[in-house]
Amino acid sequence: GAGVSQTPSNKVTEKGKYVELRCDPISGHTALYWYRQSLGQGPEFLIYFQGTGAADDSGLPNDRFFAVRPEGSVSTLKIQRTERGDSAVYLCASSLEGGLQETQYFGPGTRLLVL
Amino acid sequence: AQSVTQLGSHVSVSEGALVLLRCNYSSSVPPYLFWYVQYPNQGLQLLLKYTTGATLVKGINGFEAEFKKSETSFHLTKPSAHMSDAAEYFCAVSDGQGAQKLVFGQGTRLTINP
Repeated sequence: GAGVSQTPSNKVTEKGKYVELRCDPISGHTALYWYRQSLGQGPEFLIYFQGTGAADDSGLPNDRFFAVRPEGSVSTLKIQRTERGDSAVYLCASSLEGGLQETQYFGPGTRLLVL
Repeated sequence: AQSVTQLGSHVSVSEGALVLLRCNYSSSVPPYLFWYVQYPNQGLQLLLKYTTGATLVKGINGFEAEFKKSETSFHLTKPSAHMSDAAEYFCAVSDGQGAQKLVFGQGTRLTINP
């Protein structure tokens, strides 16, 4: 079956602009995660959805970052007033039910560059 | 809070040699431990994971890892390196207290010399 997909694969924007990054999880997976991976670093947790609700958004760095999952499937990560420091690869993952032992399946990521 | 330390940001081995990638974690509760591999321009792929039971875990592509609670370690090994093993490897821990997130180490880039 299809894996996790993310669009766009690359996004170049200017400082101060608004961007949206999309994640399409594996069909039937109720848990969805967003991570951010800066150059030379491991992924860092941003937010976790269980169904339509954000169960843990403790990793969002500030109020410029927001994510939604209105129908419990596709999720969109929204970044307002982008800054150069937001440049990173944004990874999305999904798992079947969100259990701690479950495997998280990752998408290929969206590489965001803020000029 | 959980944390993961991967010793060695770069490891280079010869083809056919033993691969050893080190991972130490800190956790206040019994952890669930994962190793992921990332090939260039691809997403992370699970190699193996430890949840409960046998402490020696076998994964894909001939990799295995051993959970050693006394050493708080989960080192990844492969007896004989192949050129296709060249990639970035990440160790991660999921805490047992309800937070669903994975905490990753900084990664180890594995280079295979012919």
